Amino acid sequence: GAVVSQHPSWVICKSGTSVKIECRSLDFQATTMFWYRQFPKQSLMLMATSNEGSKATYEQGVEKDKFLINHASLTLSTLTVTSAHPEDSSFYICSAQAGTQETQYFGPGTRLLVL
Amino acid sequence: GENVEQHPSTLSVQEGDSAVIKCTYSDSASNYFPWYKQELGKRPQLIIDIRSNVGEKKDQRIAVTLNKTAKHFSLHITETQPEDSAVYFCAASRSGYSTLTFGKGTMLLVSP
Repeated sequence: GAVVSQHPSWVICKSGTSVKIECRSLDFQATTMFWYRQFPKQSLMLMATSNEGSKATYEQGVEKDKFLINHASLTLSTLTVTSAHPEDSSFYICSAQAGTQETQYFGPGTRLLVL
Repeated sequence: GENVEQHPSTLSVQEGDSAVIKCTYSDSASNYFPWYKQELGKRPQLIIDIRSNVGEKKDQRIAVTLNKTAKHFSLHITETQPEDSAVYFCAASRSGYSTLTFGKGTMLLVSP
């Protein structure tokens, strides 16, 4: 149980294009989903928290107009990196939380390379 | 906000030895402390967690201890195996706040 999928697993795009990443909870309803960014050999940096049907809460320093988050259903959240630039290249990981439980279950991550 | 410090940043042990990773937290209201294992290029996986109403929890070769007074918690791995090699992250959160604050991670290398 508590499986989270993420798609795509990796993407290479040209500078200036937009990239959408999907995060799905496969066997539970995720009231809250989280988006993290992880640079090589570093910890997980929380970008934003999203609750189904409401606007995402962004961490300080994360541009909400650049990283668009949609949590339209209890099993799907999407992160769109708009007008991607090489500095946006990173490992993006989502996690999902069921109900009031504190445990977060992580997706497999998406490796983004912007050329 | 919460601040979680994790030590050491790297840890090398021989197969069969024990490994201990320590974390401290700053928010005395934090009451949930999970540990995640992340292998290279893969997702973090929850390996054990503890809540503030207990002082110790064990699952086979893995144990976590919590000292609320000192605001620190530790991960103990006994009889380490090469497949234990990974980066381990501690984290903390408190009831009513769903976000986790992560430590910077410990790279554990178990040599055969």
